[in-house]
Amino acid sequence: SQTIHQWPATLVQPVGSPLSLECTVEGTSNPNLYWYRQAAGRGLQLLFYSVGIGQISSEVPQNLSASRPQDRQFILSSKKLLLSDSGFYLCAWTMSTDTQYFGPGTRLTVL
Amino acid sequence: AQSVTQLGSHVSVSEGALVLLRCNYSSSVPPYLFWYVQYPNQGLQLLLKYTSAATLVKGINGFEAEFKKSETSFHLTKPSAHMSDAAEYFCAVSERNTDKLIFGTGTRLQVFP
Repeated sequence: SQTIHQWPATLVQPVGSPLSLECTVEGTSNPNLYWYRQAAGRGLQLLFYSVGIGQISSEVPQNLSASRPQDRQFILSSKKLLLSDSGFYLCAWTMSTDTQYFGPGTRLTVL
Repeated sequence: AQSVTQLGSHVSVSEGALVLLRCNYSSSVPPYLFWYVQYPNQGLQLLLKYTSAATLVKGINGFEAEFKKSETSFHLTKPSAHMSDAAEYFCAVSERNTDKLIFGTGTRLQVFP
């Protein structure tokens, strides 16, 4: 069966510090991968998606970037965090134009 | 452009009462529709999905939803609420042949004893 992992689970970072969040999927090959952000009291905003190694599409201009160095690894990064980057970050995967499966999420607080 | 509207950011029901969470969508082609549930500080879990088979879709935990094309709706229901149903619920839409989901803003369900 397939599983999706995210780490860290929680993170507190000062403004201006770098960021690296990692997402990995097990039990499948060549999945489509997604990064979402959920700000307090709001819905999910799609940030990035990837259909293969090195292929990244950005949905919104922002302070963040994504990379996919391996087939089942998706990384969300920032060089300098802003207060507005705080939120709950979710990674998801799919193998078809059907269901997306979500990871447990990372709670990021920028102070 | 696709969009999803969830009416009511908060819904409160008594334990044992009917749960009704509303979702309306706009899509230029027949869509796929989803309901996800999120418990505090956790990821999203799929409750059910509509992908053009039966219009009444049954999901996990006793939930079901009915696709009504004429009303562009996909409301989520459960006949009898349990305390464990307290969570946030998200409706989402994707057009066929794409894999992007557009989410509603969510409805927080509270269940009172």
